[in-house]
Parts: sequence; structure tokens; C-alpha cells
Amino acid sequence: QKEVEQNSGPLSVPEGAIASLNCTYSDRGSQSFFWYRQYSGKSPELIMSIYSNGDKEDGRFTAQLNKASQYVSLLIRDSQPSDSATYLCAPERGAGSYQLTFGKGTKLSVIP
Amino acid sequence: DADVTQTPRNRITKTGKRIMLECSQTKGHDRMYWYRQDPGLGLRLIYYSFDVKDINKGEISDGYSVSRQAQAKFSLSLESAIPNQTALYFCATSAVAGDNEQFFGPGTRLTVL
Repeated sequence: QKEVEQNSGPLSVPEGAIASLNCTYSDRGSQSFFWYRQYSGKSPELIMSIYSNGDKEDGRFTAQLNKASQYVSLLIRDSQPSDSATYLCAPERGAGSYQLTFGKGTKLSVIP
Repeated sequence: DADVTQTPRNRITKTGKRIMLECSQTKGHDRMYWYRQDPGLGLRLIYYSFDVKDINKGEISDGYSVSRQAQAKFSLSLESAIPNQTALYFCATSAVAGDNEQFFGPGTRLTVL
């Protein structure tokens, strides 16, 4: 079983729509979860972190975590063409390891 | 000025050459990491360091070595470069007092011919 699984995409959504990005992870000890955005050829940029079950909202972004299902998601409301990028899910590799395990990413394309 | 810098940004070298990639940070973070990114394989951890005297191997350390010269500097060396080390290399940092958030440098694109 892969440690972190994400649909590779591309996920195409029209401008203004909600983009939903999903991630499952295998390490039940993970306590910290991060979403990074990466534009082609650029470095990953942290956009959301979540540590507790439920939803966490920051502007147009909402992260959702369900530890029992080992599932974390990212919703992007009012998607803009500038949101077109690859989104990386990164759970902590076990509690207290201070290491992250990265998924391969989902490529999002927002169509004007 | 960028918080995490990497030099060089691009490097082309030949098989068998020794290469050093450097990372410097002004964030005051104690933890530093080296990753490589390959198309279709995602980001993989090479080495990490929690302070100057604490260096640990990641999941793909073979063929690499590191040096933590100071809290702010963490270098990655390829002792004898081979073509399958062609990749995008990233340095990242995180704070001891933080929530495990990692912040990435701009990356070094390395090509080994």
C-alpha cells in the first residue's frame, strides 16, 4: 500500500467552481497534515495545515481531516486560473518524527 | 531577501564528478532537510538535520552525503555523480517551536550527463 495516495489528475474545473482534492494516507500515527501548492518548475509552497479532525478554513481554502478514515482533503472555492498548479498532500511520517511524506500530487487546471 | 536560498540554481555536470549543493537560511530554524523531486515519483527525503550535531539519513541517502556547517547552512554532496541523480533538489527548513511546517528553498536543477 502506498503511503500517501492522491489522484494524479489532471483535475479540470471551470473558473469560479469548487475544486476538491483528495488524499489518503497509511500511517495511523500521523498527527500533522499539510497541503502544498507547486507551480511547474517552482518550489512547493505551504498553503494549509491541519492537525485535528474536522474542517479548517483559510480564505478560499478549506482543509478537511478524518483520521479514522485516514483521509484529508483540500477544497478551493471560487477557483481562479492562478490556482492552476500541482497540489501536494504531506502527512507527518508518524507522530513526532518531524518528517513529512509527500504524495505525488494532483494537477489542477482551472479553465477560464 | 529570500528566507531559504540554494546555490547553484542550475548545474550541468558529468558522470563521476563531485558536486556540492548549498542551502542557507535566515529563518532561524533548527531543522533542515534535503529532498529530490523526479517526475512521477514526487518528493523524496535524502537527509535531514535537527541541529548542527544531529544528521540523519532519509529514504534515499545512497550516493549522497551532507554537512551541517552551522545552524543556517546545510550542504548536500554527490561524491561521484551518476545520470540517475539528475533531478530537482530542494532544501527545506522547519522550526523546533513550530508545528512541523516546512518551508522550501527555490530548488537546484541538476543534470548529470
